[in-house]
Amino acid sequence: AQSVSQHNHHVILSEAASLELGCNYSYGGTVNLFWYVQYPGQHLQLLLKYFSGDPLVKGIKGFEAEFIKSKFSFNLRKPSVQWSDTAEYFCAVNADNAGNMLTFGGGTRLMVKP
Amino acid sequence: ETGVTQSPTHLIKTRGQQVTLRCSSQSGHNTVSWYQQALGQGPQFIFQYYREEENGRGNFPPRFSGLQFPNYSSELNVNALELDDSALYLCASSDGRAGNEQFFGPGTRLTVL
Repeated sequence: AQSVSQHNHHVILSEAASLELGCNYSYGGTVNLFWYVQYPGQHLQLLLKYFSGDPLVKGIKGFEAEFIKSKFSFNLRKPSVQWSDTAEYFCAVNADNAGNMLTFGGGTRLMVKP
Repeated sequence: ETGVTQSPTHLIKTRGQQVTLRCSSQSGHNTVSWYQQALGQGPQFIFQYYREEENGRGNFPPRFSGLQFPNYSSELNVNALELDDSALYLCASSDGRAGNEQFFGPGTRLTVL
């Protein structure tokens, strides 16, 4: 069975700082990869996804993520965070043997100080 | 386009009781997945329904069951509630293609006392 690890549980940054959130998964086959965000009081929303092709994918609000197959990683980045990026971020994997099922990491709670 | 809706928003039950949670999928979506999100954790897959049939199940006991109706809305039923069932229950809908984006509802917060 696949699993997803997000090593940073809590991250605190000042505005304009750069962000990188780690995500590693364990599954040797083909995967689709996702980052979801949950803003305070709101439901989960998709930030970006990787299915195939260019391993560097760009999402909404200036976020991007890079799929490194050899490292089983899909880290999320943003060059300059804003206060409005304060939220919880979840990495998720859909394995090719799992239909439409998503396996989520434990989440990273990001706080951006103004 | 109507998004995913869930009802109720909050629910308090006692141990041993039964609960039914409801979900209306986004327009045009035929697949509904249910997830359990315990406090401080990521969502865990419970099961998925595609065209009224269960189409995959996570590591949850049989007292977690579900239904999908012809209009693709869905119910999650939990029998013999336990304290550890306290969580946010999320419903997500999609168009059924493997790996495609799932759209999440706001969740139902269940508290078991």
